[in-house]
Amino acid sequence: DIQMTQSPSTLSASVGDKVTITCRASQSISSWLAWYQQKPGKAPKLLISKASSLESGVPSRFSGSGSGTEFTLTISSLQPDDFATYYCQQYNSYWTFGQGTKVEIK
Amino acid sequence: QVQLMQSGAEVKQPGASVKVSCKASGYTFTGYYIHWVRQAPGQGLEWMGRIFPNTGGAHYAQKFQGRVTMTTDTSIRTAYMELGSLKSDDTAVYFCARETARGLTLGHWGQGTLVAVSS
Repeated sequence: DIQMTQSPSTLSASVGDKVTITCRASQSISSWLAWYQQKPGKAPKLLISKASSLESGVPSRFSGSGSGTEFTLTISSLQPDDFATYYCQQYNSYWTFGQGTKVEIK
Repeated sequence: QVQLMQSGAEVKQPGASVKVSCKASGYTFTGYYIHWVRQAPGQGLEWMGRIFPNTGGAHYAQKFQGRVTMTTDTSIRTAYMELGSLKSDDTAVYFCARETARGLTLGHWGQGTLVAVSS
């Protein structure tokens, strides 16, 4: 099974900050990586697929990069609506989620 | 628009089974895979498996093999996930989700169904 490891587990930041979350795969997954945002009590929301392809309607302050085993999600200027938990997910071989990164208010 | 409406919360005893439903609307039900993902309280997301309604073909995560069954009823546009031999650590919110048009990623989600396992 492919394991996904995110860092950090928790991130404290302020509105306007640039935020970067890292996701590492236990083996190469090419670019078969997605990012999701989840708010408390809600279902996850797909933000990015194929490592860097922004989903329709997702603000351009979100971006993704990487390939192989190392990936990043960047929020260029954190907005109040962005405080949430973010998950990476590989879909190269079945589906596996990272453990999540909670972005909280500093 | 695409909607996935799940059944209500369940409370089950250890050893019992639970069957959660996911009714789809707003798209061609047979054309897209449905996945099931669960989330234990305060924990992350865990992929359980997926099913293709057109054929009924399903693939399950190894962890749940032998204990989970995913089915669909195309006449009522509904997917089901049945989990047996419940244990306390199966207490979680169970989500159904539909793949996007490009495939493989989960672009549409149900609201989630809480399954609590307690004696």
